[in-house]
Amino acid sequence: EVQLLESGGGLVQPGGSLRLSCATSGFTFSSYAMSWVRQAPGKGLQWVSTISSSGGDTYYTDSVKGRFTISRDNSKNTLYLQMNSLRAEDTAVYYCARDRGSDYVDFWGQGTLVTVSS
Amino acid sequence: DIQMTQSPSTLSASVGDRVTITCRASQSISSWLAWYQQKPGKAPKLLIYKASNLESGVPSRFSGSGSGTEFTLTISSLQPGDFATYYCQHYYSYPYTFGQGTKLEIK
Repeated sequence: EVQLLESGGGLVQPGGSLRLSCATSGFTFSSYAMSWVRQAPGKGLQWVSTISSSGGDTYYTDSVKGRFTISRDNSKNTLYLQMNSLRAEDTAVYYCARDRGSDYVDFWGQGTLVTVSS
Repeated sequence: DIQMTQSPSTLSASVGDRVTITCRASQSISSWLAWYQQKPGKAPKLLIYKASNLESGVPSRFSGSGSGTEFTLTISSLQPGDFATYYCQHYYSYPYTFGQGTKLEIK
């Protein structure tokens, strides 16, 4: 059974940092591209970042470029999102997601809430 | 960036109705489009990929069509569990943007 379990969310002040983790199981992690997708309270889905299966290629939405870094440890079957210089508009539930063929998401985690507020 | 626009934003319908949701892309995306269903407090669920391919385990009352810039998601006979929010997303080129969502409500 595919499982994606996010952790690391919480309350942080503007300008602060957080590191999200996504522990995975039930599939060959190193064979899949992985993504982070977020959803602000009461709003729609926003793609944030994707990393290739090897970790060699990364992609970001413009609003997080230079502030967020996606990474992975294929030996630990874990995906990460390092978030720096956080802003109030980064407040959202962050979903870890498995990509099929580096294209669409075929499996989602349950999400972790990040709140940026003073 | 490619913009995705869904219509309507809200749709009221009854159990048994046939409903259609439209998604338009700001430029051609061929058939690189997926549809997702999201229920309150839950993660989204993949329904359709490559515009018209039904994901395994998804009921056949769901169908997708279109190519280029205009796409539709059709539910042939609404069931109680279908009342949710639906999103389209293109995967033609990064950033892979989503539509704003269509909330399907009980009439």
